[in-house]
Amino acid sequence: TQLLEQSPQFLSIQEGENLTVYCNSSSVFSSLQWYRQEPGEGPVLLVTVVTGGEVKKLKRLTFQFGDARKDSSLHITAAQPGDTGLYLCAGFEAGNNRKLIWGLGTSLAVNP
Amino acid sequence: DAGITQSPRHKVTETGTPVTLRCHQTENHRYMYWYRQDPGHGLRLIHYSYGVKDTDKGEVSDGYSVSRSKTEDFLLTLESATSSQTSVYFCAISEYVVGIQYFGAGTRLSVL
Repeated sequence: TQLLEQSPQFLSIQEGENLTVYCNSSSVFSSLQWYRQEPGEGPVLLVTVVTGGEVKKLKRLTFQFGDARKDSSLHITAAQPGDTGLYLCAGFEAGNNRKLIWGLGTSLAVNP
Repeated sequence: DAGITQSPRHKVTETGTPVTLRCHQTENHRYMYWYRQDPGHGLRLIHYSYGVKDTDKGEVSDGYSVSRSKTEDFLLTLESATSSQTSVYFCAISEYVVGIQYFGAGTRLSVL
């Protein structure tokens, strides 16, 4: 059973479009991280959210942590080809901070 | 960029042979992790270390062993490689147990 469900699994869009990626769970997380991975490289952290309802912006990327700390979303405005990659969410379950729980990822392709 | 070096970057080996992958860090971070990444399964934790000579199993530890004799080095050994261990292996480090994980560039292992 995957504790963190990411959707969609794959996304192919045109440059300039907006998109949202979702990360959902039935578990409560004390914090949640979003990573981006490019082909042939390891994941790189984009943001960490820790407070229910928190919204963080990173240029054209907006991250939101659900009020109940069970879900999160990543919204990209006016996507660019450089946004192409695998987006991964990962979180620490409340009360179990020893291991990071990973989603399977959303593979995004932004076509020029 | 966090100073993490994985070696080798690519390896092809035969079933039944022993294989050792090395992760070297220059950040003096306490926590080190070995993951494997496979299509449809995402990142799965193999073993992790919370200090010199202190290691613990992850969710897919069967067939793998680890050692950490120095803060900077974390070795992953496949005692007798099998085709099911063909994968991309990532090492990650973290300063805190709930902190950001910094990843190496990965080792692509093929077991024939």
